[in-house]
Amino acid sequence: DVKVTQSSRYLVKRTGEKVFLECVQDMDHENMFWYRQDPGLGLRLIYFSYDVKMKEKGDIPEGYSVSREKKERFSLILESASTNQTSMYLCASSILQGPSTEAFFGQGTRLTVV
Amino acid sequence: GQNIDQPTEMTATEGAIVQINCTYQTSGFNGLFWYQQHAGEAPTFLSYNVLDGLEEKGRFSSFLSRSKGYSYLLLKELQMKDSASYLCAVRDRGSARQLTFGSGTQLTVLP
Repeated sequence: DVKVTQSSRYLVKRTGEKVFLECVQDMDHENMFWYRQDPGLGLRLIYFSYDVKMKEKGDIPEGYSVSREKKERFSLILESASTNQTSMYLCASSILQGPSTEAFFGQGTRLTVV
Repeated sequence: GQNIDQPTEMTATEGAIVQINCTYQTSGFNGLFWYQQHAGEAPTFLSYNVLDGLEEKGRFSSFLSRSKGYSYLLLKELQMKDSASYLCAVRDRGSARQLTFGSGTQLTVLP
């Protein structure tokens, strides 16, 4: 069965801390994505990656960076956490080819920055 | 860029039929997805449309009209477990890998 695992369900961090959100998929998918989900705004794409060491900015990359050192793992980094980064973060993965391929999502990490 | 609109909330009764609409504007359409998301859980894939018409999958059906930039998700024989957020997402031809999501429609099914 397809599985995307995010390292934490809930995190509380202080303003200014460096925060790492980890995501691992076991489906050998080429594409991996990080979204944030906020009430009334839906899912917004932060960054995505289509191969190891490759990354592309999504719609809201400011304040974030990513790392993809291995195919199965995609990390989201908040260099200096701020309160406006309090949100639900969702990781997803999909295969490379074909427009009909759906994305599979992890359970989400609810991050609170205080 | 893309703009996707769907109603924020809907309420329906157990056993009834409900239609959730989604309108979109995109520079190069390359498919529309519907996802279901229960509170506190991951979104899960429901349906995919790229050609005009109706796709049926059990109690759920999805319709697409590309000329109108319009889709709907039809849920029949509603059950309490169908209470969830329903997300419409569009894939743009210029961004073959990524999806742009609407804000989601929170459906509440009442007994």
